[in-house]
Amino acid sequence: GESVGLHLPTLSVQEGDNSIINCAYSNSASDYFIWYKQESGKGPQFIIDIRSNMDKRQGQRVTVLLNKTVKHLSLQIAATQPGDSAVYFCAENSGGNTGKLIFGQGTTLQVKP
Amino acid sequence: EPEVTQTPSHQVTQMGQEVILRCVPISNHLYFYWYRQILGQKVEFLVSFYNNEISEKSEIFDDQFSVERPDGSNFTLKIRSTKLEDSAMYFCASSRTGGNQPQHFGDGTRLSIL
Repeated sequence: GESVGLHLPTLSVQEGDNSIINCAYSNSASDYFIWYKQESGKGPQFIIDIRSNMDKRQGQRVTVLLNKTVKHLSLQIAATQPGDSAVYFCAENSGGNTGKLIFGQGTTLQVKP
Repeated sequence: EPEVTQTPSHQVTQMGQEVILRCVPISNHLYFYWYRQILGQKVEFLVSFYNNEISEKSEIFDDQFSVERPDGSNFTLKIRSTKLEDSAMYFCASSRTGGNQPQHFGDGTRLSIL
């Protein structure tokens, strides 16, 4: 069935450290993945995306890695800052043209000063 | 930077009443979506809309739900007869095209059914 899930519900890191948030997906036909950040009282904010023909993509302070063999996605945040504290969701578009996104449960990132 | 805007930010409605949630997608986007998020849970897909028709809907999107693009800028979600379990955050999103394109979300409408 369709399932996108996160390994850990809460991640606590020290300011300045790197953070890694993981996500597993179950649909091997999925060809597009997005990471969203959600702050309290706000909607999901786009961070970075990756297509299935890539295994790595970098943005500003963020890197997404895709391992299609084990159906695993990760988000790496370099030099984590207090403003990075939020819930992070991975989402999967299973390849259809309708754009339907399937979201994971979310990981709360807490950054300690 | 263009953004998706939603109104109202909070809607309180009696059970059984009709409610309309409003969204203004990003102006050059062609695909529109509604999602909901029950408190503390993940975001769930409701419906996608393109070219003035529904392109996909989830099991949640039953006959009590409808969507409309009444003019060139607004996109609405109507719940005809609300139930207690409709209480949630409702997010509107839009994307430039369908398929593998990032969707940009509004800040949501908190719907509380009494």
